Amino acid sequence: GAVVSQHPSRVICKSGTSVKIECRSLDFQATTMFWYRQFPKQSLMLMATSNEGSKATYEQGVEKDKFLINHASLTLSTLTVTSAHPEDSSFYICSASNPLTTGTRGYNEQFFGPGTRLTVL
Amino acid sequence: AQKITQTQPGMFVQEKEAVTLDCTYDTSDPSYGLFWYKQPSSGEMIFLIYQGSYDQQNATEGRYSLNFQKARKSANLVISASQLGDSAMYFCAMRPLQGGSEKLVFGKGTKLTVNP
Repeated sequence: GAVVSQHPSRVICKSGTSVKIECRSLDFQATTMFWYRQFPKQSLMLMATSNEGSKATYEQGVEKDKFLINHASLTLSTLTVTSAHPEDSSFYICSASNPLTTGTRGYNEQFFGPGTRLTVL
Repeated sequence: AQKITQTQPGMFVQEKEAVTLDCTYDTSDPSYGLFWYKQPSSGEMIFLIYQGSYDQQNATEGRYSLNFQKARKSANLVISASQLGDSAMYFCAMRPLQGGSEKLVFGKGTKLTVNP
């Protein structure tokens, strides 16, 4: 149980185009999803926190208009990189929080997707 | 604000030996959780072990154990009997357990190489 998928796993696009990445919780309803970006040989940096039915909360320095996040249902959040440029090339990882794990863990456990590698030419 | 420090960019260990990966942290939260994740070259984040700040005993999960020293604010990961498949990046992370925030803050990671 507690599987999170991401689609696509890899995407190559031309500069100036938009790319949508999907994050799905397959067997649980995620009240909160998180989007991270990881540049090569660096750590994961939180970009935004996404709650179902409300606007995402972005971290300082992350452009809201460039990285559009939509959390339309309890099992799906999407990240759209608008007008992508080569500097947006990175590994994007989502995680989903399962509120049902609070009882066993004492906190909402986060489950990570497999990541999406974006290359902008 | 929370901060995680991993001072070892890279570590090498012989197969079947034990290795310790260092992690120190800083936080003003009275209650917090500490995590270790493994990231192989494929990129997925694999949860290894969790330690709550209120836990009296050090966490263990199979070959993984967490050496939690609260006064020193350290949460080192010990991997026993290293295997070739343990070669990967290892990230220490933390989050508050109160206040509603679920944000995970990660360290810069340590690249572990297990030699045959």
